Amino acid sequence: GQQLNQSPQSMFIQEGEDVSMNCTSSSIFNTWLWYKQDPGEGPVLLIALYKAGELTSNGRLTAQFGITRKDSFLNISASIPSDVGIYFCAGHSNRGSTLGRLYFGRGTQLTVWP
Amino acid sequence: KAGVTQTPRYLIKTRGQQVTLSCSPISGHRSVSWYQQTPGQGLQFLFEYFSETQRNKGNFPGRFSGRQFSNSRSEMNVSTLELGDSALYLCASSFPIAGGPGYNEQFFGPGTRLTVL
Repeated sequence: GQQLNQSPQSMFIQEGEDVSMNCTSSSIFNTWLWYKQDPGEGPVLLIALYKAGELTSNGRLTAQFGITRKDSFLNISASIPSDVGIYFCAGHSNRGSTLGRLYFGRGTQLTVWP
Repeated sequence: KAGVTQTPRYLIKTRGQQVTLSCSPISGHRSVSWYQQTPGQGLQFLFEYFSETQRNKGNFPGRFSGRQFSNSRSEMNVSTLELGDSALYLCASSFPIAGGPGYNEQFFGPGTRLTVL
């Protein structure tokens, strides 16, 4: 199955700093997604990307769908304490029987120091 | 609009027992997917249901099974529990499932934390 490599595994930054994380895949995806998971909760969708090369923003978050369709990155600008959590990339393929199945990266644990 | 609900939120079982987890999707959603989340393996797809039919299945042993009811609620069952089955089990619902293969946004519930002793 598809393997997603997400990096970095963890980040410790100071409030106000910018953050960047990325995800690469061994296979092509038609949709790239970025989720955030808080303790005791399920993942919440932050940004969805549908076209190669697409650059999408959601407030202080910006994500891009790589032109090879095998990678994506997420940037968070001017981090704040509530950005703390685990960020996951996920890919979706339109091929054959995969239907709604998502493939997830291993996550980036973000810690923000005040 | 209520979100995806999962019951119970926490569960402790012993090896060899079986367990049933429940998921109620967002009203109107017809597709339900299940994922297992562990520190070692991350988020792994278990299966997906639509209109009471399993449409897709991940690489898990036959001890893991599920079903969907006519009201779109879903249950998953794990028989003969093993220590390695300790995990957070997440349910996600979506609407509608496309006639074609396109992505439909999935909304996740808070999960059921299963501990096997």
